[in-house]
Amino acid sequence: EIVLTQSPGILSLSPGQRATLSCRASRSVSSSYLVWYQQKPGQAPRLLIYGASSRATGIPDRFSGSGSGTDFTLTISRLEPEDFAVYYCQQYGSSLLTFGPGTKVDIK
Amino acid sequence: QVQLQESGPGLVKPSGTLSLTCAVSGGSISSTNWWNWVRQPPGKGLEWIGEIYHSGSSNYNPSLKSRVTILVDKSKNQFSLKLSSVTAADTAVYYCARVTWRPDYYGMDVWGQGTTVTVS
Repeated sequence: EIVLTQSPGILSLSPGQRATLSCRASRSVSSSYLVWYQQKPGQAPRLLIYGASSRATGIPDRFSGSGSGTDFTLTISRLEPEDFAVYYCQQYGSSLLTFGPGTKVDIK
Repeated sequence: QVQLQESGPGLVKPSGTLSLTCAVSGGSISSTNWWNWVRQPPGKGLEWIGEIYHSGSSNYNPSLKSRVTILVDKSKNQFSLKLSSVTAADTAVYYCARVTWRPDYYGMDVWGQGTTVTVS
């Protein structure tokens, strides 16, 4: 089973700042099956990035994903008030799916 | 537009069986998607429970596999979750979600609103 580790656990930033979130896998993950989700309090998660770097439908271009192998990054170029939320990475491989523990982006 | 709706008891007794259903509307459960269950304990992260294809083929989280059964009911366009021998640790919001899987796309792109299940 592939274990995903996300860092930092909490990222305290101000609107307008750049956010860089890391997702590290215990062994190599296919980029095709590396996904990022956003979750706001009381809501279901929402698909942000698929295939490590492609934005899902309706996702603003301030969100971008990158990486390969065991190291992946989600970047929010300029934080908007609605971006303060928890972000999860997720991978699928060998018929098993795992989520990272999440990074909370909160307002400084 | 596909929508998912979870339903089932909100309270389950310890050692009992948790049973939830996810109704699929706006699309067919027999489409080329996998249908998933994900849960989230209070204040914690997301945990994958398992998935099923309309053919009945399924995959489960190894940590829950001995207690989980996911079934599909094509006649009702829905799928279900049964989790046996529950304890307080199974208290969580339970989500059903659709995985779309194409050569150029993979992800849980449709989610239900979630249903809270308390074991007490």
